Amino acid sequence: DIQMTQSPSSLSASVGDRVTITCRASQSIYTYLNWYQQKPGKAPKLLIYGASNLQSDVPSRFSGSGSGTDFTLTISSLQPEDFATYYCQQSHTSRTFGQGTKVDIE
Amino acid sequence: QVQLVQSGAEVKKPGASVKVSCKASGYTFTTYYMHWIRQAPGQGLEWMGIINPNTDITLYAPKFQGRVTVTRDTSTSTVYMDLSRLRYEDTAVYYCAREKGPGGSFDYWGQGTLVTVSS
Repeated sequence: DIQMTQSPSSLSASVGDRVTITCRASQSIYTYLNWYQQKPGKAPKLLIYGASNLQSDVPSRFSGSGSGTDFTLTISSLQPEDFATYYCQQSHTSRTFGQGTKVDIE
Repeated sequence: QVQLVQSGAEVKKPGASVKVSCKASGYTFTTYYMHWIRQAPGQGLEWMGIINPNTDITLYAPKFQGRVTVTRDTSTSTVYMDLSRLRYEDTAVYYCAREKGPGGSFDYWGQGTLVTVSS
C-alpha cells in the first residue's frame, strides 16, 4: 500500500497569511496527487488534481506543486472561508488519503 | 447539474449488515467510476472501494475485502454499498464520490450517510 503523510497535522494562521501544506508519498506516484478541502459536517471538495491543476470554480489563491514523492498545497493569501481541513489523496495505485491538516485561526 | 444523493442515516447492531445507496443524476451514469469513502467521527478519510458502472467490475481496499460489496443498478443510476458483519468501529459517515476521469480524483460527492453501530 502507498502511504501518504501530511505535515503539519494542524496549523494556526491569520487572514492574509501564506500557508503551505506538504504531502509525502511512500513511493513515487508521479503526479497522481489530488487535494481536497473539508469543512465540518460537509463532504470534501476537490481543489487540485494531477498535482497542479486547479479544479474549476476554485479560487486562484490555491495552487499545487510537486511530483514523485513530495507535494505541496499553497494558499497564497488565506481568506476567512479557507479555515478547514485539507487532505491529499494519491490515485496512482488504488486510492489512499493523507491524515489531514487542520487550518484554524491564530 | 451533477448530483449524488445518498440514503438516510442508519443505526445497526454489531454483526448486522447495512446497505447505503447513492443515486446519480445530471450525467451519463455509465461513463464515470464511482467510489465509496468513509470517515469515522473526528477522523480522516478512508477509501473503501470502486465500481465501474459500465462493466460492473469492482475493486476493494484490502481492509474491507470480504465484508464490502458494491453494486449498481443502471436502470435507476444508483450505486449501492453493502457492509456486513458490522463492528462498533464501522460507525462513520459513508460517502459516494464520482471519479473525475483519468487521474483518479473525486469531483462530486454525495452528502454522506451516517451509519451508527450500537447495541
